[in-house]
Amino acid sequence: QQQVKQSPQSLIVQKGGISIINCAYENTAFDYFPWYQQFPGKGPALLIAIRPDVSEKKEGRFTISFNKSAKQFSLHIMDSQPGDSATYFCAASSYAGGTSYGKLTFGQGTILTVHP
Amino acid sequence: GAGVSQSPSNKVTEKGKDVELRCDPISGHTALYWYRQSLGQGLEFLIYFQGNSAPDKSGLPSDRFSAERTGGSVSTLTIQRTQQEDSAVYLCASSLVPGRFAYEQYFGPGTRLTVT
Repeated sequence: QQQVKQSPQSLIVQKGGISIINCAYENTAFDYFPWYQQFPGKGPALLIAIRPDVSEKKEGRFTISFNKSAKQFSLHIMDSQPGDSATYFCAASSYAGGTSYGKLTFGQGTILTVHP
Repeated sequence: GAGVSQSPSNKVTEKGKDVELRCDPISGHTALYWYRQSLGQGLEFLIYFQGNSAPDKSGLPSDRFSAERTGGSVSTLTIQRTQQEDSAVYLCASSLVPGRFAYEQYFGPGTRLTVT
């Protein structure tokens, strides 16, 4: 019930194209859904996050779409650039009552390659 | 300002030896997390510290793993009698305050541990 399933495992797109990565979760207690971007040799960096009270959040070229009833959320990268080539992780967390700690449960990751 | 720092960046050890991994969180961040990133298991939560509260050790894979946080700042993850399956990148993250903002976790670059 704690799993977050992410797909695809790898994705190749052309420069200027749209990259789409999907995640699904089972635990209905999750109420925070971040996406992290990780470059080789670096730690994950928070990219964008959404809470379930909204269905979409956009920041620049990055958009999260959230479907609460389907328990799915996705990351869309518009106008993909070679510099976007990285591994992307979705994650989920829940507010643990009076002592919130937001332990993250991660998807398996998607290796994105954007060709020039 | 300075981000989360971890040391060493790389550690090679022989099977059966003990290792200590260090994390310096962002100054003022009260919450600290350890995660493990490995090929087969993705990113896994290990342990969480928040202020003076008892740590959440629910993710530690065995009693060979322990962690402490001194003075509410620096944390050390210790692995005793290392095994080859302990080879992974160990990531530390910190967040600013308890409550909902605890979700915004900032990761360090990780320590790559190789057990030979």
